Amino acid sequence: RKEVEQDPGPFNVPEGATVAFNCTYSNSASQSFFWYRQDCRKEPKLLMSVYSSGNEDGRFTAQLNRASQYISLLIRDSKLSDSATYLCVVSGGYNKLIFGAGTRLAVHP
Amino acid sequence: NAGVTQTPKFQVLKTGQSMTLQCAQDMNHEYMSWYRQDPGMGLRLIHYSVGAGITDQGEVPNGYNVSRSTTEDFPLRLLSAAPSQTSVYFCASSLDRLNTEAFFGQGTRLTVV
Repeated sequence: RKEVEQDPGPFNVPEGATVAFNCTYSNSASQSFFWYRQDCRKEPKLLMSVYSSGNEDGRFTAQLNRASQYISLLIRDSKLSDSATYLCVVSGGYNKLIFGAGTRLAVHP
Repeated sequence: NAGVTQTPKFQVLKTGQSMTLQCAQDMNHEYMSWYRQDPGMGLRLIHYSVGAGITDQGEVPNGYNVSRSTTEDFPLRLLSAAPSQTSVYFCASSLDRLNTEAFFGQGTRLTVV
């Protein structure tokens, strides 16, 4: 079993749609959680950190459920520019971040 | 405004050749790391460093060496390239180990034939 699992997608949605991505992690001792965005053939960039209380940044909302070891990302009012791969990232042992394989989003007109 | 700079961007090697991937950051970050990204597998940690003179192995260290003589530079050496090392390599730096943003270089696309 992978330490961080994501639905690979792709999610194909029209502009203006709301889309949700889910992620599960296996290490209950994980302390830090993030969503990164990676455009095609580019480097990953931090989208947002995820806190237990949930947090929002404009059209993006992230939630963490420690009991279920589950992280989510909600994107409202999707834009063409949101098309990318979204990486769920969790802190692991030995000073490392563990990356999910990513969920691909394609927003079409 | 450089951030993390990786060179080269593309490289083709023959099996058995050695090479060094360069990584430099200008943010005075203590923590630097190397990842490889393969289709369907996410980024996997190769080696990391928590400061000048200190390095340690990550998840997939075999076939790679690193050193950290300065805060700015963290080169990755492939000792004897194998086709299994065909991948995209990313260098990253962050202010601390886990809780702050990791900044990535633009990546090196390596093909071993």
